[in-house]
Amino acid sequence: DAGVIQSPRHEVTEMGQEVTLRCKPISGHDYLFWYRQTMMRGLELLIYFNNNVPIDDSGMPEDRFSAKMPNASFSTLKIQPSEPRDSAVYFCASSHDPRYEQYFGPGTRLTVT
Amino acid sequence: RKEVEQDPGPFNVPEGATVAFNCTYSNSASQSFFWYRQDCRKEPKLLMSVYSSGNEDGRFTAQLNRASQYISLLIRDSKLSDSATYLCVVNIGTGRRALTFGSGTRLQVQP
Repeated sequence: DAGVIQSPRHEVTEMGQEVTLRCKPISGHDYLFWYRQTMMRGLELLIYFNNNVPIDDSGMPEDRFSAKMPNASFSTLKIQPSEPRDSAVYFCASSHDPRYEQYFGPGTRLTVT
Repeated sequence: RKEVEQDPGPFNVPEGATVAFNCTYSNSASQSFFWYRQDCRKEPKLLMSVYSSGNEDGRFTAQLNRASQYISLLIRDSKLSDSATYLCVVNIGTGRRALTFGSGTRLQVQP
């Protein structure tokens, strides 16, 4: 079975540009999570969805970040405008239930110069 | 106090050694507990769930102590391939809140 799919795997962009990260969850999983990981702050939950509806976006750092889930098999995380401090690895994960095990995609390594 | 706390390490152990990690959590209503493993530049992967009665999977043993609010992971007969960061993961509280990840404990098994 296919796991969580993320694209692109690497993104290098200049400050001020828009960045869009994409995720396809495991089929049948109702919950989708976006995380950011840095050396300094570890793994941080940004937002999660249930049945395509955002449930908790309290981790979204600021208005420059937005996430959507137009259907059960696709989600995007957008940063506009990007800043160097946004450089991190962004993971998408999915699960049947937010209290139980989550399965992660391979991540997108974002570098903003 | 952090919701989930781990010793960052690194733990440097020789091959064949037994090593244990602890993780403390702050919310006594936490319901589910896991250990994840993360290799360098890779995604976290589920290693094992932690059950109230304790559980074992090969060389790995996980324990839960609700009274003291900690979970532990014991690795016996360490292999070089066990070198990774081990993340303690807890569901904090009730309802639909998502899992909270600890910052991880780094293990380096040396030949």
